[in-house]
Amino acid sequence: EAQVTQNPRYLITVTGKKLTVTCSQNMNHEYMSWYRQDPGLGLRQIYYSMNVEVTDKGDVPEGYKVSRKEKRNFPLILESPSPNQTSLYFCASSLGFRNTEAFFGQGTRLTVV
Amino acid sequence: TQLLEQSPQFLSIQEGENLTVYCNSSSVFSSLQWYRQEPGEGPVLLVTVVTGGEVKKLKRLTFQFGDARKDSSLHITAAQPGDTGLYLCAASSGTALIFGKGTTLSVSS
Repeated sequence: EAQVTQNPRYLITVTGKKLTVTCSQNMNHEYMSWYRQDPGLGLRQIYYSMNVEVTDKGDVPEGYKVSRKEKRNFPLILESPSPNQTSLYFCASSLGFRNTEAFFGQGTRLTVV
Repeated sequence: TQLLEQSPQFLSIQEGENLTVYCNSSSVFSSLQWYRQEPGEGPVLLVTVVTGGEVKKLKRLTFQFGDARKDSSLHITAAQPGDTGLYLCAASSGTALIFGKGTTLSVSS
């Protein structure tokens, strides 16, 4: 089954404690991205990757890091989480970035206290 | 950053009613997509419209791309409770896929 898998689904952590949210896709897609979804602000892109070892900033990259060492995996790293990073996070993958369907994971609900 | 503005932000209707939601921009897009998101899930693609003036139908849902490729609409005929969800429009902007803030639709029986 074609899918994007994120882990964990839910995470409560404390300010400053480094964390990683994993994302894996089994569709051999080149393009992957991370979004955060907040009430009233919609889905905002954090980082994206057009291929292995190629990543770039989206609209809200501050406080986040990503890596793309393999085609299927695109982890999101929060080196020092802060309460303003409490949000719902989605990973997505697609064949490209134009006119192609984006497949989303089920989301990670992160709370930073 | 190019913006996609969706209206209305919230819509609460009775089963059987018709409704239209809108997605507008000042920018021209090569294509526009509509996604639906249900609580606790990620967005799922409904349709991609590519040609100005294009109309696509998906059962009771009708999607239209504006002639100038700056706007789009989604019309639902005889809404059902199963149509409840967040409807998002999206478009490619450079190398990014940008989303509108969405229309939250609630259909009660």
